[in-house]
Amino acid sequence: GQQVMQIPQYQHVQEGEDFTTYCNSSTTLSNIQWYKQRPGGHPVFLIQLVKSGEVKKQKRLTFQFGEAKKNSSLHITATQTTDVGTYFCATGGNTPLVFGKGTRLSVIA
Amino acid sequence: ETGVTQTPRHLVMGMTNKKSLKCEQHLGHNAMYWYKQSAKKPLELMFVYSLEERVENNSVPSRFSPECPNSSHLFLHLHTLQPEDSALYLCASSREPGYHTEAFFGQGTRLTVV
Repeated sequence: GQQVMQIPQYQHVQEGEDFTTYCNSSTTLSNIQWYKQRPGGHPVFLIQLVKSGEVKKQKRLTFQFGEAKKNSSLHITATQTTDVGTYFCATGGNTPLVFGKGTRLSVIA
Repeated sequence: ETGVTQTPRHLVMGMTNKKSLKCEQHLGHNAMYWYKQSAKKPLELMFVYSLEERVENNSVPSRFSPECPNSSHLFLHLHTLQPEDSALYLCASSREPGYHTEAFFGQGTRLTVV
């Protein structure tokens, strides 16, 4: 089945710095979803990308889907302490969602 | 804030106990899922139910037994678990069995097997 690899596993940033997490696959993906899980919380859906080269923005968050639909990225501009948590990518299509291992973001005030 | 409710939030059980986890969704969704989240592993899909029928069982040991009496409720019956089964168990639902739709997660049950 489809698998997605996420890097980095951990990221520590100073408040105000930018942050990027990457999601990669060896196969073409039908879609990419991104979720955020706050410490002690549950995954919460952020966005879904389905088109080649698609870019979507949510305030300080920018999501990209690669031209070949084999990778995706989530970029946060000027991180804030509220951005702390683990960010997961997931892919589905004709199968149940398969999640990456996530990138845990720590923000130092 | 979530339309998916899980009980209990925390559970400690012995290896010889029998317990059940409950999930209820108020979103009118047709698909429900059980995921396991351990410290060092990604979210692992355990079971998928579509319109109350089990459509996927990801090689889960028989000590985990799911039940879906209707499209709003999902149970996970537990018996003779092992310490390595300690984890966060998350229930999720989605609008339809097709997998392009987003998943809504419950807050999870933190299970500790002693």
